[in-house]
Parts: sequence; C-alpha cells; structure tokens
Amino acid sequence: ETGVTQSPTHLIKTRGQQVTLRCSSQSGHNTVSWYQQALGQGPQFIFQYYREEENGRGNFPPRFSGLQFPNYSSELNVNALELDDSALYLCASSLAGAGEQYFGPGTRLTVT
Amino acid sequence: KQEVTQIPAALSVPEGENLVLNCSFTDSAIYNLQWFRQDPGKGLTSLLLIQSSQREQTSGRLNASLDKSSGRSTLYIAASQPGDSATYLCAVYSGAGSYQLTFGKGTKLSVIP
Repeated sequence: ETGVTQSPTHLIKTRGQQVTLRCSSQSGHNTVSWYQQALGQGPQFIFQYYREEENGRGNFPPRFSGLQFPNYSSELNVNALELDDSALYLCASSLAGAGEQYFGPGTRLTVT
Repeated sequence: KQEVTQIPAALSVPEGENLVLNCSFTDSAIYNLQWFRQDPGKGLTSLLLIQSSQREQTSGRLNASLDKSSGRSTLYIAASQPGDSATYLCAVYSGAGSYQLTFGKGTKLSVIP
C-alpha cells in the first residue's frame, strides 16, 4: 500500500510569484485535506476536497485554491505569494466518513 | 470556533521517566481525537486515534485518554527513551461533514540520556 506523497520537497519562490504543490493520496482514499504549518505552530486547516469538490475551507484568502483530480490526487495553488506564506504545507488523505487522516511528508515553501 | 491548547509547551526529562502530556479543547462536539509525533522539519506520524465513543487507546508504551465532557485528553509515555524526543501534537476532528483537524501548538519533548 502506497502512502501519501508530496512534491516537491522544498522550493524557494519570490514574493508575488505563484506556486503549485502536489499531493498523491493513499491508495483507496477519496478525500484530501491541506494544512499550513508555520514555524513553531500547529498545522492550520486550509481546505478539503472530496470527489473533486471543495468540502470545507479554513480561514485562508481566495488566493489559496486547489484541485482534486479523478484519481484523487490534488494540487494546492497559491497566487501572489507573500513572505508569511513561508511554511511547511502538509497534505492528508482519508476516506470520507471514516475521518482518520494520513499525512504526507510535506513541502517546505520559502518566500523571499 | 474550536481551539486546542497543549501544556506544557516544552518538557525535558531524564531517560526512563514516565511523563504526561496534556491537551484541552473548547468545543466538546468532536468526532475523534488524534495524537501525532513530528520530528524537526518532517511530516506528521500518527500515534493514536481515539474515537469519540472511546475513553482511551494504547499502543506499546503510549496510552492516550479522552474525556469529552471536560474537553481534555492526556498522552502518557512510559519509560521514556532519547528516541522519543520530538514535538507531540494533539488534534481534534470537528466541522460538519468535512472532518477537519484543529491542532494545538504542540509539546516539544526532550529526553536526556
């Protein structure tokens, strides 16, 4: 059974640029959630996708957007990057209704 | 709005000591509660998931309890080892339909050989 994978591992962007992060869910899981973890903080819920539709959103501006594909993999897109967007971005997959989320290793984004 | 608090923020203990990490949450209408371990710069490793109908879960040297009515959970680590050094995060599942996780800020544990 393949676990949750994320790419890239690290990336560095300049303020104002756009970035796309990718996540492959665990085999059989149909729900993907994204979290942002700033240094020294707990992860914060960005949004969740279920069957290609957004299914819940945290307190993040519209420049944070996402997609889920028919194979249940997902992308997180962030436009107009700000310095405060520097963080570890975590993806988690789950089965809708069962709840338990399984996390990937994360993508470390640095905005300069 | 659900809020999760973890106390203490940091803890340093000698090897072999038993220890307790505390977690509290403001809204008792949760589905499940989960404890995670996070090593520096890494993702989250699930330790224990307690369903809302359960009172505790055990895995090896770890035991987690849940008291929904008081909004509290504890993680007990027996006979601590240097390899247990990490940040421990508590998270609750809530939110109608989306099962989103709300995390505490974590407890950074250092086990001294």
